[in-house]
Amino acid sequence: SQQGEEDPQALSIQEGENATMNCSYKTSINNLQWYRQNSGRGLVHLILIRSNEREKHSGRLRVTLDTSKKSSSLLITASRAADTASYFCATVYYNQGGKLIFGQGTELSVKP
Amino acid sequence: DTEVTQTPKHLVMGMTNKKSLKCEQHMGHRAMYWYKQKAKKPPELMFVYSYEKLSINESVPSRFSPECPNSSLLNLHLHALQPEDSALYLCASSQRMNTEAFFGQGTRLTVV
Repeated sequence: SQQGEEDPQALSIQEGENATMNCSYKTSINNLQWYRQNSGRGLVHLILIRSNEREKHSGRLRVTLDTSKKSSSLLITASRAADTASYFCATVYYNQGGKLIFGQGTELSVKP
Repeated sequence: DTEVTQTPKHLVMGMTNKKSLKCEQHMGHRAMYWYKQKAKKPPELMFVYSYEKLSINESVPSRFSPECPNSSLLNLHLHALQPEDSALYLCASSQRMNTEAFFGQGTRLTVV
């Protein structure tokens, strides 16, 4: 399976703290994307980072990509209760015809 | 309009029924996807259409039959499903493959 792995599987923090989630993948990628899913609903795209990029920011989100380690991390700064959701990384591999393959996900709980 | 609309939101069907899930987008996207998601699991890719042609079929059983009548519409025809097919079915679209995907809210399917 080309599915990536994410850690931690679950993360519980207080409002105002930072949350970091990690994603590892298996082979060369075209790009890596992060998505958020609120309980039982559709996914929302957060950030896309290309294989030749190392870091991207969007508001309180910061994504890094280390292609030598085949890993990415998502940092959410100054978290809010509304950030409570599942977060998935998804990879587009070079040799997979453009498939978007999701990792196992991290369940984030932000307590007020 | 940045929405992907899926209907119905909920569906209960018997194992001998035939039903269809519908998905619509008006963003001019040329790639459309079907994913299946079980509780506490990541979305699993089922089918990808690119420019209205079936591009990827992830070895999905023939009781699931996709159709792309035009660039805005995607259907998933269901026939003789099993209880283990009960899941959240998610439709997504993207400008083309390898770009960010926009997801609908999903159809929660229960097979009885």
